[in-house]
Amino acid sequence: NAGVTQTPKFQVLKTGQSMTLQCAQDMNHNSMYWYRQDPGMGLRLIYYSASEGTTDKGEVPNGYNVSRLNKREFSLRLESAAPSQTSVYFCASSEGGAGVGNSPLHFGNGTRLTVT
Amino acid sequence: RKEVEQDPGPFNVPEGATVAFNCTYSNSASQSFFWYRQDCRKEPKLLMSVYSSGNEDGRFTAQLNRASQYISLLIRDSKLSDSATYLCVVHQAGTALIFGKGTTLSVSS
Repeated sequence: NAGVTQTPKFQVLKTGQSMTLQCAQDMNHNSMYWYRQDPGMGLRLIYYSASEGTTDKGEVPNGYNVSRLNKREFSLRLESAAPSQTSVYFCASSEGGAGVGNSPLHFGNGTRLTVT
Repeated sequence: RKEVEQDPGPFNVPEGATVAFNCTYSNSASQSFFWYRQDCRKEPKLLMSVYSSGNEDGRFTAQLNRASQYISLLIRDSKLSDSATYLCVVHQAGTALIFGKGTTLSVSS
């Protein structure tokens, strides 16, 4: 049982380049999330998807887009990367559907992104 | 006032010590509460949920005080392996989970 799988683990981009972070879960969870973690800032929510077919903005959505491709997969796209997007990105999932956030999160291993 | 606040520490304790962390939250309508543990350069992992009546899991005890809007985590008989960052997490209705910035614990021999 793999849980939540994120790819890639590491990525270096130049300013202005685009990329998509992939995330898949095999726990049949309804909700999926993208967080970023920066030193001194803690985990901040970028976007979440309460159920297949829905997405909502979190605390820091600017510069990102997401796609809930199906129940298993939730991707995060950076259309034009900026140095301020250098961070560790975590994908997570939870059972919670209608009551988004009321059940524990299961995290992927993270993607370490550097934008130069 | 930030939504979820924690003392960042670090808390430096010897093996066998008892240590307690507190976390305050600003939204009185918050419904669910959790403690997560995060090891250096790893993903956060659920340590325990926090129930209204308080709950215990081995050496770990979590308490919730709704009147004062804080939750606590008590670790007894600290082990070297307890060294990590402990994240306080709160669910507010209609939103995803809100994370505190974490409290760092270092247990030394």
